[in-house]
Amino acid sequence: NAGVTQTPKFQVLKTGQSMTLQCAQDMNHNSMYWYRQDPGMGLRLIYYSASEGTTDKGEVPNGYNVSRLNKREFSLRLESAAPSQTSVYFCASSDISGRVLLYGYTFGSGTRLTVV
Amino acid sequence: DAKTTQPTSMDCAEGRAANLPCNHSTISGNEYVYWYRQIHSQGPQYIIHGLKNNETNEMASLIITEDRKSSTLILPHATLRDTAVYYCIVRGWNAGGTSYGKLTFGQGTILTVHP
Repeated sequence: NAGVTQTPKFQVLKTGQSMTLQCAQDMNHNSMYWYRQDPGMGLRLIYYSASEGTTDKGEVPNGYNVSRLNKREFSLRLESAAPSQTSVYFCASSDISGRVLLYGYTFGSGTRLTVV
Repeated sequence: DAKTTQPTSMDCAEGRAANLPCNHSTISGNEYVYWYRQIHSQGPQYIIHGLKNNETNEMASLIITEDRKSSTLILPHATLRDTAVYYCIVRGWNAGGTSYGKLTFGQGTILTVHP
């Protein structure tokens, strides 16, 4: 049981390049999330998907797009990378029943992205 | 969501209980208290959550005061591997329609367990 798998683990981009961060979960969770974490700061929500077929903006969505490809996969795309997007990106998934978050989130191990 | 306040850092001796406080004085009746921790460079890990009753699992115990304005996470026998940032989060259900389930992470408490 792998949980939440993120690829790649490390990436260096040049300013203006694009890339897609991949995330997949095998726990049959309904909801998936993308967070970023900058040095010395807490996690900030970029986008989330409450269920398959839906996506919504979080706290810091500018410069990003997402796709909920199916129930398992939720990708994050940077169309034109900027140095301000240098960060560690975490994907997470959760199950919600009766509008209560059950058992909390399961996080992936992160993608460390550097934009030069 | 209710705001939480945690100490910036705490120390604990290995083998002793670590008691991490969290203040959430503006919590409302439908809001749960969640605890997560983040070991250096890893993704956050869910520990425990509760509404109003005390909770215990294989990792920790959660004590919520009767007025629900504060809580304490207890690691009964801290080990060096428990050194991490601990986040206390309060989250309600059906907050803003489809926004239920979103968690907002603050700065947390840096717990250092010493030999």
